Amino acid sequence: IVMTQTPLSLSVTPGQPASMSCKSSESLLQRDGKTYLYWYLQKPGQSPQLLIYEVSSRVSGVSTRFGGRGSGTDFTLEISRVEAEDVGIYYCMQGLQLPLITFGQGTRLEIK
Amino acid sequence: EVQLVESGGGSAQPGGSLRLSCAAGGFSFSTYSMSWVRQAPGKGLEWISYVSGGSKAIYYADSVKGRFTISRDNAKNSLYLQMNSLTAGDTAIYYCTRVEAYGGNSRGYFDYWGQGTLVTVS
Repeated sequence: IVMTQTPLSLSVTPGQPASMSCKSSESLLQRDGKTYLYWYLQKPGQSPQLLIYEVSSRVSGVSTRFGGRGSGTDFTLEISRVEAEDVGIYYCMQGLQLPLITFGQGTRLEIK
Repeated sequence: EVQLVESGGGSAQPGGSLRLSCAAGGFSFSTYSMSWVRQAPGKGLEWISYVSGGSKAIYYADSVKGRFTISRDNAKNSLYLQMNSLTAGDTAIYYCTRVEAYGGNSRGYFDYWGQGTLVTVS
């Protein structure tokens, strides 16, 4: 499954919203009703960290400023009010075909 | 607290070998599948290998199949990656990851990542 993210980079003023897209080459919705789409953030010099699982569920401790939505093959990660600590590269990932997991190319978020 | 600590990275010549290790702690290691994910300099994330908890299921990405071997020692809470016939294209940070699998082990994601170990082939 090919994951395609847009844009590849994003520059946002602190306090403003940010939005990024992820599209999968196949539907990630399964008969169990779950959609196996995940979002990770890799902060500069760090390992990736899981932010959101199954499209829209935030990992414990993740700010409510982060929200995921979408269905089927089209997904969006939104940050309601960008803060300096949000800088990094955001990756979407499909978990439908374990272990053949694939990632998008990443969207780099910078602060203006 | 879950901990994954990689070691064994370093420099190797083309055609050479390296063995990476990952020491796991803070969870029941044998009950989790594990994977290696790598990141070439300035590039994105690439899954390269997977091993189930009891080592019955092992998979590789095409890019490393036939050259890399994943293994684990549940008694030592350790994961390994033997890398042979290295090329410049294998230069990357290698991350040890824990797999949270569900849906009958056919679906899943990486819930914990180590800090990574850098492999340079030149």
